[in-house]
Amino acid sequence: SQTIHQWPATLVQPVGSPLSLECTVEGTSNPNLYWYRQAAGRGLQLLFYSVGIGQISSEVPQNLSASRPQDRQFILSSKKLLLSDSGFYLCAWRSQGARNTIYFGEGSWLTVV
Amino acid sequence: KQEVTQIPAALSVPEGENLVLNCSFTDSAIYNLQWFRQDPGKGLTSLLLIQSSQREQTSGRLNASLDKSSGRSTLYIAASQPGDSATYLCAVERGGADGLTFGKGTHLIIQP
Repeated sequence: SQTIHQWPATLVQPVGSPLSLECTVEGTSNPNLYWYRQAAGRGLQLLFYSVGIGQISSEVPQNLSASRPQDRQFILSSKKLLLSDSGFYLCAWRSQGARNTIYFGEGSWLTVV
Repeated sequence: KQEVTQIPAALSVPEGENLVLNCSFTDSAIYNLQWFRQDPGKGLTSLLLIQSSQREQTSGRLNASLDKSSGRSTLYIAASQPGDSATYLCAVERGGADGLTFGKGTHLIIQP
């Protein structure tokens, strides 16, 4: 069966520090991968998606970047965090094709202080 | 730009009641609609997926309907239980690889 792992689960980072959140998927090949952010009082916002290794699409301009160095690995990064980057970050995957269920990881809580 | 609205934002009902959560979307050109459940501080769990050609889907005590032309969906929960307490999110798919557009959710509390 397929599983998705996301870490770290929680982190507190000072303003201006770097960020790296990692997500891996097991039990499937060539998935579509996604990073969402859920800020307090707001819905889930799609940040990045990837249809293959090295292929990253960004939905909104921001202080973050994403990379896909391996087929089942998706990384969310920042060189210098802002207070507004605080939120709940969710990684997700689904099989290629537009009509499949999307599966989410357990999320990473980021507090920038 | 697709916008998804969920009403009500919060709902508290006694155990055993049947209830309806509402979702509306502005662009009817969707591929599918999904309902998710999110427990506090956790990720999302998919409950039901309705393809654009379908009118409804059922899973246990849950029934989701879709009226694509009017841009509406409802999630019906029968015989509610305290374990149903969670935030319920509606999301629509416009096609391609670029994921879902979510509503802000309905925070549901079932009182024992």
